[in-house]
Amino acid sequence: GESVGLHLPTLSVQEGDNSIINCAYSNSASDYFIWYKQESGKGPQFIIDIRSNMDKRQGQRVTVLLNKTVKHLSLQIAATQPGDSAVYFCAENMGGNNRLAFGKGNQVVVIP
Amino acid sequence: KAGVTQTPRYLIKTRGQQVTLSCSPISGHRSVSWYQQTPGQGLQFLFEYFSETQRNKGNFPGRFSGRQFSNSRSEMNVSTLELGDSALYLCASSPGQVGYGYTFGSGTRLTVV
Repeated sequence: GESVGLHLPTLSVQEGDNSIINCAYSNSASDYFIWYKQESGKGPQFIIDIRSNMDKRQGQRVTVLLNKTVKHLSLQIAATQPGDSAVYFCAENMGGNNRLAFGKGNQVVVIP
Repeated sequence: KAGVTQTPRYLIKTRGQQVTLSCSPISGHRSVSWYQQTPGQGLQFLFEYFSETQRNKGNFPGRFSGRQFSNSRSEMNVSTLELGDSALYLCASSPGQVGYGYTFGSGTRLTVV
């Protein structure tokens, strides 16, 4: 089906610590994955993406890991800052279709 | 370059009315997708338009429709509004190839009363 889910609804993290957000996806045919950040009153903002031929991809302060064996995706945020407080969504592109299936979202709260 | 522009930002409509929302994609992008976001259902795919043709469709009733113009701007229409249609409607712009660059607009907040 189109199920993309997140394990933890809310993550509270101390400023400066690292954050890890997890996501399980269900479609083994998905070949493209994206993490989005959504702040209140705004649309989802692209953070980082990864294709199924990769296991890891790094951006600025963020790393995405993909484990195709267990259909698991994670987003790591280094040195979490107050501006990282938002809802984070993982999304999968279901092979061959130009459409995204989103998880329910994970609220990250950064404690100063 | 300019981002994805959605208008209007906010709308209040009465049950039974219809509504039209607009999305202008990033210049050069040929694909526009629409999503509905609600607290209960999260982000759900409505449909995608590419080169003025609907290329993909989600599981929404026929009251939800859309179109795309030759300049890639897209509109979506919801007829016979129901209370449950209250949501944030988001459009995403991409070049058109599968698996590349989905950029979202800020959305239109629709409230049905």
